Amino acid sequence: EAGVAQSPRYKIIEKRQSVAFWCNPISGHATLYWYQQILGQGPKLLIQFQNNGVVDDSQLPKDRFSAERLKGVDSTLKIQPAKLEDSAVYLCASSATGYGSYEQYFGPGTRLTVT
Amino acid sequence: KQEVTQIPAALSVPEGENLVLNCSFTDSAIYNLQWFRQDPGKGLTSLLLIQSSQREQTSGRLNASLDKSSGRSTLYIAASQPGDSATYLCAVNQGGKLIFGQGTELSVKP
Repeated sequence: EAGVAQSPRYKIIEKRQSVAFWCNPISGHATLYWYQQILGQGPKLLIQFQNNGVVDDSQLPKDRFSAERLKGVDSTLKIQPAKLEDSAVYLCASSATGYGSYEQYFGPGTRLTVT
Repeated sequence: KQEVTQIPAALSVPEGENLVLNCSFTDSAIYNLQWFRQDPGKGLTSLLLIQSSQREQTSGRLNASLDKSSGRSTLYIAASQPGDSATYLCAVNQGGKLIFGQGTELSVKP
C-alpha cells in the first residue's frame, strides 16, 4: 500500500513570495490533515478535510494561508505572501476517517525556508 | 484546552540501557494516544497506538502504557541501540485531531 506522498520535499523562497505544497493521501482515506512543525516543536494542526469539505481550520492563518482538496483526493496548501516565521516543515497526514480513533499516517513533509 | 507535555526534552544514554520517556496530558477525554519517531529532516513514523480503553501496547523492544485517569503515558525502550537515536513525539487524539507534545530528543551513544 502506497503511503502519503508530498512534494516538493524542500523549498527555499524569499519573504513576500508565494509557495504551494501538494499532498496525495493513502488511497481511500476520507480525512486529510495539514500540520505545521516549527523547529524544536511538535506539529500543530492547520486544517482538516473530510472528503472535500473543511472540518477544522481554526488555526490556519487565513490572511496568508489557503488550502483546498478538490474532488476529495489530493490537496494543495498555499502561502501568499510568505513571512520569515513560516519557515517550518509542513506535514500532510491522512486517516480512514476523522471521526473517532482511526490512526493517522504521515507523509515525509516539505521543509520550507523563508529568507 | 488540551496540553501535552513531554519530559525530558533531551536524553543521552549509553548503548544497552533501558529507558523511559514520559508524556502527560491535561484532558482525559481522548480517543487514543500515539507515539511517533522522527529522524532529522524526516516525517513521522508511528510506533505504537493505544486506544483509550487499553492500558498498554507492545512492539518488539518498545512498550507504551496509558493511564487516562492520571493523564500519563510512558514509552519504555529496552536494550537501547544507537539506531534508536531520534526525536520521540507523543500525541493525543481528541475529536479526531492530534495534539502533540514538543518531543524528547534521544541520543544513544555506542
